[in-house]
Formats: sequence, C-alpha cells, structure tokens
Amino acid sequence: AQKVTQAQTEISVVEKEDVTLDCVYETRDTTYYLFWYKQPPSGELVFLIRRNSFDEQNEISGRYSWNFQKSTSSFNFTITASQVVDSAVYFCALSEIKTGNQFYFGTGTSLTVIP
Amino acid sequence: KAGVTQTPRYLIKTRGQQVTLSCSPISGHRSVSWYQQTPGQGLQFLFEYFSETQRNKGNFPGRFSGRQFSNSRSEMNVSTLELGDSALYLCASSNVLQGSDEQYFGPGTRLTVT
Repeated sequence: AQKVTQAQTEISVVEKEDVTLDCVYETRDTTYYLFWYKQPPSGELVFLIRRNSFDEQNEISGRYSWNFQKSTSSFNFTITASQVVDSAVYFCALSEIKTGNQFYFGTGTSLTVIP
Repeated sequence: KAGVTQTPRYLIKTRGQQVTLSCSPISGHRSVSWYQQTPGQGLQFLFEYFSETQRNKGNFPGRFSGRQFSNSRSEMNVSTLELGDSALYLCASSNVLQGSDEQYFGPGTRLTVT
C-alpha cells in the first residue's frame, strides 16, 4: 500500500498566483515524521521542511507555508505569490520510527510557474 | 561543510555488466541511504547503512548490494545489469538513526543501461 499519495501529477500556474500541493499519508505509527523536498531540474533533492507527528502547528517560511492535519492525514504545502524559480518537482515523504531513515516518498508534483 | 558527493555523475553500461557507485556523506554523518529514481516508479528506497552495518533494505533483487566503510563512505553495486536498472541513483546522509531528521541528498548518479 502506498504510504504517501500526491494526487497532483502536474500543476501549472501563472507567476504571482498562489498554489497548494497536496500530500496524504498513511501510517499506523503514532510517532512519525513528514518532509517536503524540492527537486529542481538539476536533480538534487533539497530539503524544505520537517514535521513530527506531535506537532500540528502550521508553519510559514517566507512565501512557503505548510498545513499539517492529523485528522485527515494530510500535510499540504502552499506557495504564495509563486515565482518562476519555484518551478520544480516537489516530493512529500514519510519516515516511521520503526524503519528509521527509510523514507517513503510520494510520486511528486511537477510545478511549472509561467512568467 | 561540504555536501553529499556522488561519483560518477553519469554512467553508461551494457546489459549484463556490473557497476559500482560511490557516495561520500556529509562529514560526521554516519547514516547513508540509497534511493533509485525512475519516471515510472518514483523514488524507491534501496538500503541504509549505519556504522558499516546494513540497517534496512528495500524491495530490490539481490543484484543490488552495498557496503559502508569505516569513514562512512558508501558504495552500491549492481550486478548483471538490466535495461530496467536505468535510473538516477541518489544517496542521502543523516546524522540520526530514527528518521527524525532530514536527509541530505547528493546530486545523484545517472545510470543508463543499453
């Protein structure tokens, strides 16, 4: 069973629009961690944020914000006032305490920001 | 601090050959994980090493193997290459065991099997 689902395969927005990338996860662990990574065309995965299962506070970092809701098993990512440099593939990932550093990645959402 | 480095960056091999990829983690990181990324399957976990011991292994055939050295550098080996092994192989390092911290990824090795 897929542990992380990113239903949006591709999204295109016009520059300065807001965009939300969805992530739904599945786990039976009570302690787990959620991550978002960005993969620009160069290929290297860049860490964006980490959340643990006990911290449901939403977080904002500049134009980026994250909404973690345990009730719906979702960890969504919003980019406000998108820019061309935001064009990349974004991955949501889950790690469970019992499997340590084994990350389960979603299939990614390819975001294109059109100037 | 230098980031995770992977060598080589690009590799072309023929079916049936074997290949060895190398990964040097961030200084001080003792956990090294390997992932295979393909358009069809996405990012899939291969295995993780910590202090020279394999801690976790993904669902890959025995042709995929790895090891870690005392300086934390890691290698992965794929024997009897198949066309389907063409992929971007990513290495990640971490300084924790529980998956509670972010992993830092290298630029990857793009393997093409012809």
